[in-house]
Amino acid sequence: QLQLQESGPGLVKPSETLSLTCTVSGDSIDSRDYYWAWVRQPPGKGLEWIGSIHYREITYYNPSLKSRVTISVDRSKNHFSLKLNSVTAADTAVYYCARIDYDSSGSSYLDYWGQGTLVTVSS
Amino acid sequence: QSVLTQPPSASGTPGQRVTISCSGSSSNIGSRTVNWYQQLPGTAPKLLIYSNDQRPSGVPDRFSGSKSGTSASLAISGLQSEDEADYYCAAGDVSLNGWVFGGGTKVTVL
Repeated sequence: QLQLQESGPGLVKPSETLSLTCTVSGDSIDSRDYYWAWVRQPPGKGLEWIGSIHYREITYYNPSLKSRVTISVDRSKNHFSLKLNSVTAADTAVYYCARIDYDSSGSSYLDYWGQGTLVTVSS
Repeated sequence: QSVLTQPPSASGTPGQRVTISCSGSSSNIGSRTVNWYQQLPGTAPKLLIYSNDQRPSGVPDRFSGSKSGTSASLAISGLQSEDEADYYCAAGDVSLNGWVFGGGTKVTVL
């Protein structure tokens, strides 16, 4: 059974860099042509896609965050990571990592999700 | 402001049918398939419907999805108390090369 687990600091100071890692267990991050994604959810609000990465390090970012986001993958550790710099209180959210799978027609969907980790931006 | 538009709330009594709409544009729902997620309080979203109308293994057939043009809908038949949750639609977006979500619909079982 595939499992994803987010880890990282729960408190980040304004203007600093938020760093999270998603560790994948139950399968190899490069076993198939999956993409892997970061999604966040501010308290009491909806979901926002942050970006996605393929194990070959092909990345796509939400244009609204692109200037501040870097997503990377480490195949040897079977994990992928998120860095968001120059954070403000507006970046306070539960951050989820997820796998993007595809069906036979090429349609894609986020099927497995981590449990999420709350990151608070505050001094 | 979410890219996909959903009603903020929906409700019904046990056994009733509830429908949730999701409206988008030609760059997302009009070009890509729609997925639906159920989020119980304090938990991660769970895939409920993928590729417009497909249910993952283990999802009851009370849940069904459909899509027409730039809109989609999720129907819950035979509403049960455990269906109280937030429901989100999602679709790929060709202009983003990424994903867009609806703002979520809170379903209440009266």
